[in-house]
Amino acid sequence: QVQLQQWGAGLLKPSETLSLTCAVYGGSFSDYYWTWIRQPPGKGLEWIGEINHSGSANYNPSLKSRVTISVDTSKKQFSLHLNSVTAADTAVYYCARDFQQLYPDYWYFDLWGRGTLVTVSS
Amino acid sequence: DIQMTQSPSSLSASVGDRVTITCRASQSISRNLNWYQQKPGKGPELLIYAASSLQSGVPSRFSGSGSGTDFTLTITSLQPEDFATYYCQQTYSTFRTFGQGTKLEIK
Repeated sequence: QVQLQQWGAGLLKPSETLSLTCAVYGGSFSDYYWTWIRQPPGKGLEWIGEINHSGSANYNPSLKSRVTISVDTSKKQFSLHLNSVTAADTAVYYCARDFQQLYPDYWYFDLWGRGTLVTVSS
Repeated sequence: DIQMTQSPSSLSASVGDRVTITCRASQSISRNLNWYQQKPGKGPELLIYAASSLQSGVPSRFSGSGSGTDFTLTITSLQPEDFATYYCQQTYSTFRTFGQGTKLEIK
């Protein structure tokens, strides 16, 4: 059974860099896009970006200037880096698998990590 | 970016009721629409993909319909475990976007 396990620092100061990593256990890594989503406390879901095994990445335009998503295929891991954080970046961050069904071509997030609460506070 | 608007934002219902949640896209997204359920303190779980396909393991009381810009999620015969927040999501665009959520509460 495929599982996603994520980790990273939970408390940051303003202007620091958020770094989270998600590892994929029990399944293929190269067949999918891997994505990050966040959810501020009490609010809705926001897609941050995604990457595939070859390093091809797509980002939310509103975060693109501060976000980097990277991949380590040998470890079956992908990471999120968000620089210059502020209190507005306080959220639960989720990693997820962006599954592509072929013929017809549909995409959906079928597997999610447990989430990591990241708090930005001075 | 494609804006997704859900209605209502919250909904009160009783066990056994039938409820419908609506999601509207700001432009046509064909059938590239997914529905997720999120319970307090948990991550979202996929219910419906491609507008009307039921994810494996999801009870058949959940169903989805629609195409283009207008979509619905219907839950027949509400069960206690169905009280949660529901989100729609479009994957027509590489820039994935979610609706703001519909909180389903017990009446």
